[in-house]
Formats: sequence, structure tokens, C-alpha cells
Amino acid sequence: AQKITQTQPGMFVQEKEAVTLDCTYDTSDQSYGLFWYKQPSSGEMIFLIYQGSYDEQNATEGRYSLNFQKARKSANLVISASQLGDSAMYFCAMKNRGSTLGRLYFGRGTQLTVWP
Amino acid sequence: DSGVTQTPKHLITATGQRVTLRCSPRSGDLSVYWYQQSLDQGLQFLIHYYNGEERAKGNILERFSAQQFPDLHSELNLSSLELGDSALYFCASSAEDTLMGEAFFGQGTRLTVV
Repeated sequence: AQKITQTQPGMFVQEKEAVTLDCTYDTSDQSYGLFWYKQPSSGEMIFLIYQGSYDEQNATEGRYSLNFQKARKSANLVISASQLGDSAMYFCAMKNRGSTLGRLYFGRGTQLTVWP
Repeated sequence: DSGVTQTPKHLITATGQRVTLRCSPRSGDLSVYWYQQSLDQGLQFLIHYYNGEERAKGNILERFSAQQFPDLHSELNLSSLELGDSALYFCASSAEDTLMGEAFFGQGTRLTVV
């Protein structure tokens, strides 16, 4: 069974500092995709970044980067230069070649609080 | 704005009632997914439709059903509602069912059953 684990229920970071949100995954597939989504208090789910299992380079999107360690099955999100607007719930998710290719498996999320 | 529209945004209803949640995917997206987000269960996949056909079911109760219409919009029907059905229901769409294609989520419908 596919599983995503986010061990940090809450994280705190000071504005302008970098923060790493942890994510480990479990799958027996060789081909899979890893995603991070942000959910502000308003509720919508915002796509942040994607990493494919065969990608050799870590994905980056602006201030977001994904620290992909395939052997350890980890896909940590790094947010550089945190801003107050980064305060939100962050979800790690995975797709694989299971019963539904497009379906996302989500972790339980990490609540990030950025303080001034 | 993700381009995925969900209505209504909020819904309050009594136990035993039936409601319909509506989703309009992004223009051109053939796939629609429904997810339920609750405090105790987290984000759970309910069902997937592709171009009008059901592709897969997840943790969807028998009291729940969905369909995707020829214009690609989708509806999730929840019946015989219970207090435990209170949750945020998301619809997501994607252009292709590949490992790379990200899903774009609507704003969600917050259902409260009283």
C-alpha cells in the first residue's frame, strides 16, 4: 500500500529564515511522482512543486525546493526566506502506477507558522 | 485561481438529508477527482471520473455517489447524511492521468451536518 508520512504536526520559523518540512513515502513502484500542496486557512489547495522518481535534479520553484533522497524515500520541502504569507498547512502527496494513475495519496500535513 | 469551480462553498444541512456538490473542472481537463478532508481522516480519495466514465473508487460510502456529465462537470451526491459526514469536500481536475500532471483543486465545499 502507498503511504505518505509527515512526522511534524507543527513547525515554527522566523520570517526570512529557511525551513524544511519532512516527508517520507512508501511505495514498491519504480515510477512515481511526488507533490507538495499548500493549504492556507481559507481552505484552498495550492500546488507548489513536483518531483518525478526518475528526475536526477531536485525540483525548484522560486523559493520552494524539494530535497529528494530516493534511497531514503524522502521528499522534503525546503522553503527559503520564509514570509508571513507562508503560514499554512503543507501536504506531501504521491502518485504512482496503482489502480488509479492520477490519484493522489496525501500525508497528514504539517502546520507551518511564520513569525515576525 | 486554479480554474476549478466548486459550488456551493458552504452547506449546512440536517442529518438524514441529501445534498449535491457541484464541480466544474478546468477548461479541457477530462479527469475529475473527489476528495474528502476531515480532521480525523485527513485527505481521502473518494472517486475518479475520466471523460464521463468512472475510473476508480476510493473510500467512498455507499450513501455517496457521483457522476460526470457530457460537459465534463461533475456532481457528488451525499445522502442519508450523518454528523460524521461533516467535512471539506474537494474536487480536483487534471489534463492527463500521468505521473507528472498536477491536480488543480477547487476551493472546496464545506459541509456541516447538524
